[in-house]
Amino acid sequence: KQEVTQIPAALSVPEGENLVLNCSFTDSAIYNLQWFRQDPGKGLTSLLLIQSSQREQTSGRLNASLDKSSGRSTLYIAASQPGDSATYLCAVLRRGYSGGSNYKLTFGKGTLLTVNP
Amino acid sequence: DAGITQSPRYKITETGRQVTLMCHQTWSHSYMFWYRQDLGHGLRLIYYSAAADITDKGEVPDGYVVSRSKTENFPLTLESATRSQTSVYFCASSGGWTGVGYTFGSGTRLTVV
Repeated sequence: KQEVTQIPAALSVPEGENLVLNCSFTDSAIYNLQWFRQDPGKGLTSLLLIQSSQREQTSGRLNASLDKSSGRSTLYIAASQPGDSATYLCAVLRRGYSGGSNYKLTFGKGTLLTVNP
Repeated sequence: DAGITQSPRYKITETGRQVTLMCHQTWSHSYMFWYRQDLGHGLRLIYYSAAADITDKGEVPDGYVVSRSKTENFPLTLESATRSQTSVYFCASSGGWTGVGYTFGSGTRLTVV
């Protein structure tokens, strides 16, 4: 069974700081890994998608890396801003263990980030 | 507007009642999903659909029913609501299984009293 763990569960940093969020997964046979952002009371917004053949993806101040063999991904946020405050979730996609053609997206429980002005 | 919309945003219902949560997407994505989000459990898949008239169970399907008569709609029905089904429900869609990401709706907060 795939398990996804995110560390730390919560993080509080001053504005301007660079920070790293961590995601680990137990089954390295994944197809892709996706990072999401969730604001309080809102849905999930996709930030970055890394295919299993890729090492990293970048979007603006965000950089996500993937090391499939070790079961790890990191989300790097440069020059953090108060508007970055949210819960960040990672999710990995793998083939369902029951066989067939279905796939399963497994989420971590998220890291709650607070950026203080 | 293009996107994925869920209705209602908030719902309070009584134990034993039937309630239906709606999900509509405008991208003609083949795949649609229903998740529930609970403290301590994170997001868990209830049901998914690979195409119109094709649905399958996820991790926690008991007590729920889905249908997909049209590609753009994927309603979730709680046949007889229980307090344990109090949760935030998210609908998502995707154009494929492995090559593309998932897009989520804004969620429905359901309270069963």
